[in-house]
Formats: sequence, C-alpha cells, structure tokens
Amino acid sequence: NAGVMQNPRHLVRRRGQEARLRCSPMKGHSHVYWYRQLPEEGLKFMVYLQKENIIDESGMPKERFSAEFPKEGPSILRIQQVVRGDSAAYFCASSPGLAKNIQYFGAGTRLSVL
Amino acid sequence: QKEVEQNSGPLSVPEGAIASLNCTYSDRVSQSFFWYRQYSGKSPELIMSIYSNGDKEDGRFTAQLNKASQYVSLLIRDSQPSDSATYLCAVQAQGGSEKLVFGKGTKLTVNP
Repeated sequence: NAGVMQNPRHLVRRRGQEARLRCSPMKGHSHVYWYRQLPEEGLKFMVYLQKENIIDESGMPKERFSAEFPKEGPSILRIQQVVRGDSAAYFCASSPGLAKNIQYFGAGTRLSVL
Repeated sequence: QKEVEQNSGPLSVPEGAIASLNCTYSDRVSQSFFWYRQYSGKSPELIMSIYSNGDKEDGRFTAQLNKASQYVSLLIRDSQPSDSATYLCAVQAQGGSEKLVFGKGTKLTVNP
C-alpha cells in the first residue's frame, strides 16, 4: 500500500521560472493538504483540496501560488516566477476524510531557487 | 499571534530516561491533537493522536490532553538514541477546514 507520493524530491529553479510540485495521495484518500516548511521554521498550512475543489486556501500567498486536484491525476502546487524566498520544503499530506481525520505526509519536495 | 506553542529546546536526556514534551494551544474549540516526529531532512511521521481528556498510551509513548488548560504533552519512556528528532505538536483547527496548525517543534537529543 503505497504512501503519499511526491515528486520531484528535489527541484532547482532560477529566479523567475515556474515550479510544479506533484502529490499523489494514499490509496483511498480523497483529501489533500499542502504545507510549507521554511528553514528553521515550523510547518505552515497552505491549501486543502478535495477532488476538483479547493476547500481552504487561507494559507496560500495571494500571488504566484496556485493549487489544483483534478478528477484524474495528482494534485499540483504551482509557483510562478519563483523568488529566493520560495526556497523551502513543500510537504503534501492526505487523509481519508473521515472522523478523526489523520493526515499522512509525503517525503516532500525541496525547492531551491538560485 | 501564535496558536500552538512548544518549547524549542533543545531537550537533552540520557538513554533510558523519560523525555517530556509540552505544547499549549490557544483555540479553545480545537478537537484533535497530534504528535509528529521529524528527523532532520525528513518528513513528519505520526506518533500519536489524542481526542479526549486524559492519557493515551502506545508502547513507550504516552500522550496527555487537558482541554481545560489547553495543554497537550508527550512522554517518551525508556528513551533511545533513535528517538533523537524534532517533535511537532499539531492541532486541528475549527471551522471545517481540517487544516493542522503546528508548533515550531521541540528538538530532542537522547544521549547514549
């Protein structure tokens, strides 16, 4: 039973380029969450999605960041025109959407902006 | 405004001792509480979940919740060097979002 799969594990971009981070939830999970962890900082919530719906995007920066979870395929976190401050570890978590909704984390994508 | 607070540590204990990790939260209507372990450069791994007041034990780990005091703790008995990691307290926010609000974590070192 595969866990939460994220790719790529490491991503290097130059300032101004686009970054696309992918997340496939655990089998049977329909809820996806994205978190960001800046160096020496805690995990911060970004966005919560269900299939084809954004449920809560209160943690997403207002510009350059977007997320989707299409009917088919993985969830995508997209960062346009990256800046050095976007360098961080981006973690995806998934849950089954039941009561006592436990979130399981993927290995993360470490984004480095040069 | 911080919502989940943890002692940043580092907390250092000898092998075989009890490690005590503490967490307070500000949102009184929070219902679900979690402890995750994160090794350096790795992803968070769920250790314990607790939903009602009192103690919950799982092997060497015991989570304690006191909603009146807005306090949750994690005890690690017979600490091992492999327990050395950062421990993250997470609280599930109200309002139907199900997002987790994390503390900054407590770094634990278990010395052989």
